[in-house]
Amino acid sequence: DVKVTQSSRYLVKRTGEKVFLECVQDMDHENMFWYRQDPGLGLRLIYFSYDVKMKEKGDIPEGYSVSREKKERFSLILESASTNQTSMYLCASSFRGVGSGAQHFGDGTRLSIL
Amino acid sequence: AQSVTQLDSHVSVSEGTPVLLRCNYSSSYSPSLFWYVQHPNKGLQLLLKYTSAATLVKGINGFEAEFKKSETSFHLTKPSAHMSDAAEYFCVVSDDAGGTSYGKLTFGQGTILTVHP
Repeated sequence: DVKVTQSSRYLVKRTGEKVFLECVQDMDHENMFWYRQDPGLGLRLIYFSYDVKMKEKGDIPEGYSVSREKKERFSLILESASTNQTSMYLCASSFRGVGSGAQHFGDGTRLSIL
Repeated sequence: AQSVTQLDSHVSVSEGTPVLLRCNYSSSYSPSLFWYVQHPNKGLQLLLKYTSAATLVKGINGFEAEFKKSETSFHLTKPSAHMSDAAEYFCVVSDDAGGTSYGKLTFGQGTILTVHP
C-alpha cells in the first residue's frame, strides 16, 4: 500500500527555535507538497517540489523554507518559529502530469509553538 | 486563477438519509475536480476525481459527484449516510489540465459532516 510518512504526529517547540518537519514517500512520486491546515481556512500550500533539489513557493511561503535532497524525502523548515505558525502541517505527494491532482497525504504533524 | 467555494461549513444528517455536500468552482481551464475526506486526526484521502471523462463520477464508500459545467458545480452525494461517514470533506480544483503542470491543488474551506444515529 502507498505511504506518506511524517516523522512526528505532535511537536512542541519554543519561539525562535529552528524546526524541521520531515516527510518520506515510498511511491517514487515526482511531486511533493507541504500544506498547513487551519480551521475555517482549508489547506494552504506552503511550498512544493517537482524534482530533486527543485522547489517552488506556494501561497504562504513566508517564514518557511524547504529541502529536497532525495526524491523520496521533503523537509519543511521553520527558520525561527513564531506562535502564528502553530498549526497542523500536512505533507503530500503525487505523480507529475495528467492525474497529478490525485495526491497522497500523510497523517499530519500538529505543531505547537509556545 | 482558480477557486472553490463549499457552500456549507456544516451539514448534519441522520443515519440512513441522503447526503448532499455542495461545491462551486471557478477555473480558467477545463478543470480537474476532486473530493477528499479527512477523518479526525488523519490525513486526507481521495474520494473521487473528475478529469473530463464521464460527468457522473463514482467514488469510494458509495459517494458520487456530478460535474455540471453550466452551473460550475461539483456536488457530492450519497444515497444513505453511515455513521462512519462523519468527517470533514474538501472540494478541490487542480491546475493539471493538459498534463503539463505540477498538480497544484486549490482547496475549499471544508464541510464538516455530522451523522446522527
